[in-house]
Amino acid sequence: GESVGLHLPTLSVQEGDNSIINCAYSNSASDYFIWYKQESGKGPQFIIDIRSNMDKRQGQRVTVLLNKTVKHLSLQIAATQPGDSAVYFCAENTPGRDSTLTFGKGTMLLVSP
Amino acid sequence: DSGVTQTPKHLITATGQRVTLRCSPRSGDLSVYWYQQSLDQGLQFLIQYYNGEERAKGNILERFSAQQFPDLHSELNLSSLELGDSALYFCASSVGLAGGRAQYFGPGTRLLVL
Repeated sequence: GESVGLHLPTLSVQEGDNSIINCAYSNSASDYFIWYKQESGKGPQFIIDIRSNMDKRQGQRVTVLLNKTVKHLSLQIAATQPGDSAVYFCAENTPGRDSTLTFGKGTMLLVSP
Repeated sequence: DSGVTQTPKHLITATGQRVTLRCSPRSGDLSVYWYQQSLDQGLQFLIQYYNGEERAKGNILERFSAQQFPDLHSELNLSSLELGDSALYFCASSVGLAGGRAQYFGPGTRLLVL
């Protein structure tokens, strides 16, 4: 049959706005989480990570929030720029699975000037 | 630049053929992971090697195989290729086996099967 493209959730923002990208992770036992950015035609790029003993971690223009109660992860990007346009993936690591990661489906961020 | 290299960048081949994709991990990284990314399946984990030994398997077809060599580079072999194998193939590496370590991805190999 005809293949259908993966329909990603899309977040459209204006340059300078703050962006919030959300992720619902799958395993309540997961204790390490990463956000990746993937630009078109390139490999996923590490942005920021957080361990389950934290609920917030800040980087340069980015903040990750972890809510273990509802298995929710978010990535906040301050003062979003056109160069932030990409697909953003969250990934989780579960104890007992070594260092393998389970990736979410991704969210496309579109930043207009 | 993540420090992970992959060759070739692009590969065009025909159904039924066999190809080999190559990956060199970041300096010091012992774990190598292979992923397939297609339009309708997202990023799918295929297989992991650690210091030369297979460590974990994901959704890898029997037609696909991989190995990691003593110098830690890895190769992914895809045989009896089908149209549906057309995808981006990524290699990633991390320091070791322990959880809680980020994986760093290479630029990928784009495979087109005609």
